[in-house]
Amino acid sequence: KAGVTQTPRYLIKTRGQQVTLSCSPISGHRSVSWYQQTPGQGLQFLFEYFSETQRNKGNFPGRFSGRQFSNSRSEMNVSTLELGDSALYLCASTRGQGRTTEAFFGQGTRLTVV
Amino acid sequence: AQSVTQPDIHITVSEGASLELRCNYSYGATPYLFWYVQSPGQGLQLLLKYFSGDTLVQGIKGFEAEFKRSQSSFNLRKPSVHWSDAAEYFCAVGPGSEKLVFGKGTKLTVNP
Repeated sequence: KAGVTQTPRYLIKTRGQQVTLSCSPISGHRSVSWYQQTPGQGLQFLFEYFSETQRNKGNFPGRFSGRQFSNSRSEMNVSTLELGDSALYLCASTRGQGRTTEAFFGQGTRLTVV
Repeated sequence: AQSVTQPDIHITVSEGASLELRCNYSYGATPYLFWYVQSPGQGLQLLLKYFSGDTLVQGIKGFEAEFKRSQSSFNLRKPSVHWSDAAEYFCAVGPGSEKLVFGKGTKLTVNP
């Protein structure tokens, strides 16, 4: 079956702009989690959506937001981009129910803010 | 607060040598523990996971890990490393798979 698909793979944006990243989970998976990966901070949890509702949230400013659609696809949005938002953004999908579920990661979107 | 410590930022081993990557965690409840591997510019691939039961878990690519509650550790091992194992390895802990706390990673270099 198809894996987790993230689009686009690469993005270059200017400071102050906003950006939207997309994540299509594995078919049948209802939970999508987002992570930011930077050389300095490593992998940090942003938020998780399950059945169109934000179920968990990490410690990021309100400029970072997300949503999930009825087909479980998810988008994350970053407004008023800062240079420090340059990172690899990864999404992961799981069935979302029960603790013994495996998270499958996409290849990520590399965002560069100039 | 939940946290994961991977003490070794970079490890170099020779091909065919054994490998152990260290992971210590801090978690208030029964932890769910994971090891992921990441090749440059790629996403994360799950190597193995521990939820409960046997404290020695087997994973893909010949990796295994041992959960030691008394030491709050979940070290990853492989008896004989292959050149293709060169990558970055991440240990993670969570209440499940949806909200993971990752360590900073250990980069593995394999010498021929």
